[in-house]
Amino acid sequence: DTEVTQTPKHLVMGMTNKKSLKCEQHMGHRAMYWYKQKAKKPPELMFVYSYEKLSINESVPSRFSPECPNSSLLNLHLHALQPEDSALYLCASSQDPLLAKNIQYFGAGTRLSVL
Amino acid sequence: SQQGEEDPQALSIQEGENATMNCSYKTSINNLQWYRQNSGRGLVHLILIRSNEREKHSGRLRVTLDTSKKSSSLLITASRAADTASYFCATVSNTGNQFYFGTGTSLTVIP
Repeated sequence: DTEVTQTPKHLVMGMTNKKSLKCEQHMGHRAMYWYKQKAKKPPELMFVYSYEKLSINESVPSRFSPECPNSSLLNLHLHALQPEDSALYLCASSQDPLLAKNIQYFGAGTRLSVL
Repeated sequence: SQQGEEDPQALSIQEGENATMNCSYKTSINNLQWYRQNSGRGLVHLILIRSNEREKHSGRLRVTLDTSKKSSSLLITASRAADTASYFCATVSNTGNQFYFGTGTSLTVIP
């Protein structure tokens, strides 16, 4: 099973809402990632979890709060988002947390619209 | 900021033709990877080339790496309509703690 599953596929939320994005992998990978991708742009790394601990935070605003409950799950909690946060949010995982050794497996993404 | 710049930004070819896209990057790398993304979907890893390698092949894909010029190219031979997608290079820094995608090339293969 080489699949990374993201839910929901689509999400519409208001600026005062609280919502969560979920990501799951059962490949035994020890690193998981959140990316943000705007239309016609490359993905931008947001967070990296290594062995369930946050190892990289690319200066992401606090309205995005990641959580890694266990080695298979990764959540992204959203609160008080802005319309410019509308984007495709991608989750990825890799076998080895060392970036130099990894190939990343991506989920299909959550299309987020903030109204 | 992005590590890699790709050109062309967009490429349109006929089925059966070869497609070449280029990636230039700024700092020393440990490895360079190529990914494909179908419209609105996740990315799929295609190939990884290490800094001490000059060329790699995988099926219809050929990747070259020139570390002196800080550039890489991806060649897709005998293209198919199903190759229509965006292609991104991604670099892993020499220190191993930075990972950046390039700006991407949008490839359209016309049947």
